[in-house]
This record gives sequence, C-alpha cells and structure tokens, in this order.
Amino acid sequence: DTAVSQTPKYLVTQMGNDKSIKCEQNLGHDTMYWYKQDSKKFLKIMFSYNNKELIINETVPNRFSPKSPDKAHLNLHINSLELGDSAVYFCASSPTGYMNTEAFFGQGTRLTVV
Amino acid sequence: TQLLEQSPQFLSIQEGENLTVYCNSSSVFSSLQWYRQEPGEGPVLLVTVVTGGEVKKLKRLTFQFGDARKDSSLHITAAQPGDTGLYLCGATEGNKLVFGAGTILRVKS
Repeated sequence: DTAVSQTPKYLVTQMGNDKSIKCEQNLGHDTMYWYKQDSKKFLKIMFSYNNKELIINETVPNRFSPKSPDKAHLNLHINSLELGDSAVYFCASSPTGYMNTEAFFGQGTRLTVV
Repeated sequence: TQLLEQSPQFLSIQEGENLTVYCNSSSVFSSLQWYRQEPGEGPVLLVTVVTGGEVKKLKRLTFQFGDARKDSSLHITAAQPGDTGLYLCGATEGNKLVFGAGTILRVKS
C-alpha cells in the first residue's frame, strides 16, 4: 500500500485554467505538507497542516488554496494557472510538525502550464 | 538567502570513486536529515543526525553532524550507478521542514 499518494502524476493544462491535485496518506500522521520543486530541483515548502488546521503559509499567491477535509487528506487547488506555476508538486506527511521526525513524500505531480 | 547551503550542486563521477557532499548553515539545529530523491519519485529519508559530532553509517554511506550542529556531510565510498540521484539535506526551522538546494549525483559505469 502506498503511504502517501498523489493524483494525478502528470497534469498538462492551459494558462488561466483551474486545477486540483489530491493527496492522501494512510500513515495516521497528524501533519501534511505541500512542497513545490522547481526546474533547478529546489524543494520549497508551500503549506503545512496539522490536524486539518493550517499552520504554515509560505507567502504563496492566493491563487493556491489548500483544503484538508480530514487529517488524512490535503488537496491543493490552483486558480488561474500561470506559466510560472509549472513545477513538480509534492505532498508529504509526518507524525508531528516538530523536530527529528521523518517526512514521507508522495511521488509528485508534474504540472505543466502551456 | 537559503537556510541550508549544499555543495557541490552537481557531481559526475566514475563508478568506484569516493565523494563527499556538504550541507552548511549559520544556524544551529537540533537535528538534520539527509534524503535521496530518484527521478520521478519523491525524496526518501536516509538518516537523521541528532548529536553534535555524531557519525552514522548506512552501508557505503557515512553521515556526520558537525560538533556545533551547524553543518553535516555525506560521504559515499566506492560509488555505484545505483547511487545516482538528488541528495537533499533538511532541517526543521520553527515548525517546518526546509531543504537545501540539493546535490545532483551521477555515477557513470
């Protein structure tokens, strides 16, 4: 069973469209994250949720709206997609949001905006 | 300015060679993690180092945490093509896990 699963794995869409990426973890973790990895492989945190509550929003444009219906799910909705949104988006989870804990990552969603 | 500075950014070596990847910061951390990411996959944790001066070994990989807990290194002995990937160091800043820019390692057979 996949611990952290994201769908879709690939997403190609036109500028201006709205799209969503779904994430589910079956590890029983309290904390979930969204990261963006750019073409230079830099992995930058976007959001963090703990027990469905938003705890980190890293100055991400408000076109990006995360939603956590329960602590096992954290979805990412993106409005009015722009070319610069093209990247690989990773969902991750960890037992807590604190130190010394391992983060488990999904396989990533490669988003291409054309 | 990034919290974690990794070097080198890119490394291409022959099978059997040794290499070291560095992760440096001006901040003190209670722990530091190393992840490996293969193409098309998410990062996977290799090790967490906690104590200043600590050395951990994982087969041919040796991880060291600096005495002052500001830096870490990853040494690979006799690299193999299967070691190819992106190596990331990560640390907790406040309540978020942040990463260095990564080192892309390519081991040629």
